[in-house]
Amino acid sequence: DVKVTQSSRYLVKRTGEKVFLECVQDMDHENMFWYRQDPGLGLRLIYFSYDVKMKEKGDIPEGYSVSREKKERFSLILESASTNQTSMYLCASSLSGLDYGYTFGSGTRLTVV
Amino acid sequence: SQQGEEDPQALSIQEGENATMNCSYKTSINNLQWYRQNSGRGLVHLILIRSNEREKHSGRLRVTLDTSKKSSSLLITASRAADTASYFCATDNQAGTALIFGKGTTLSVSS
Repeated sequence: DVKVTQSSRYLVKRTGEKVFLECVQDMDHENMFWYRQDPGLGLRLIYFSYDVKMKEKGDIPEGYSVSREKKERFSLILESASTNQTSMYLCASSLSGLDYGYTFGSGTRLTVV
Repeated sequence: SQQGEEDPQALSIQEGENATMNCSYKTSINNLQWYRQNSGRGLVHLILIRSNEREKHSGRLRVTLDTSKKSSSLLITASRAADTASYFCATDNQAGTALIFGKGTTLSVSS
């Protein structure tokens, strides 16, 4: 069964820590995405990548960076975690082009204390 | 940049009833997609309808698209308790590079 795997289901980190959220897909998809989901705000796009070593800013990239060294892995990095980054983080992947749905991981619920 | 907005925000129905959710969007689209999210989990892709299509079916799901009104609807027929979830519409962003999601409709189906 094809899937997107996020390394942690729940994560608690301290303010100021550097945080890595890992996402791996086994579908040979070109595109990968990071969203955060907050009550009342829905899903908001942080970063996405359409090829290895390529990245594009989404709507809310501030405070985040990403890394895509291999096609199957897309990492989201919180350089210095803050409490306002407490959220559900969702990784997704898709084939290249506009006519394909996204496959999502189960999400990482991050709490910054 | 919010593209799609679902209506209603919340919907409660009995098992066996039909559930209709609506999505409105602002700019022209290539396609519109619907997703389901069970509580605390990732989203699952349900159906994709292209801008040149007006209606699409998948099992108990029926999606319509009216590009002149910039709106879409998702109909779930004969709802089951297992359909309880949040439903999101998504359209491509202005650059056509990623999906933008609405805030979702929370559907509750009671037995």
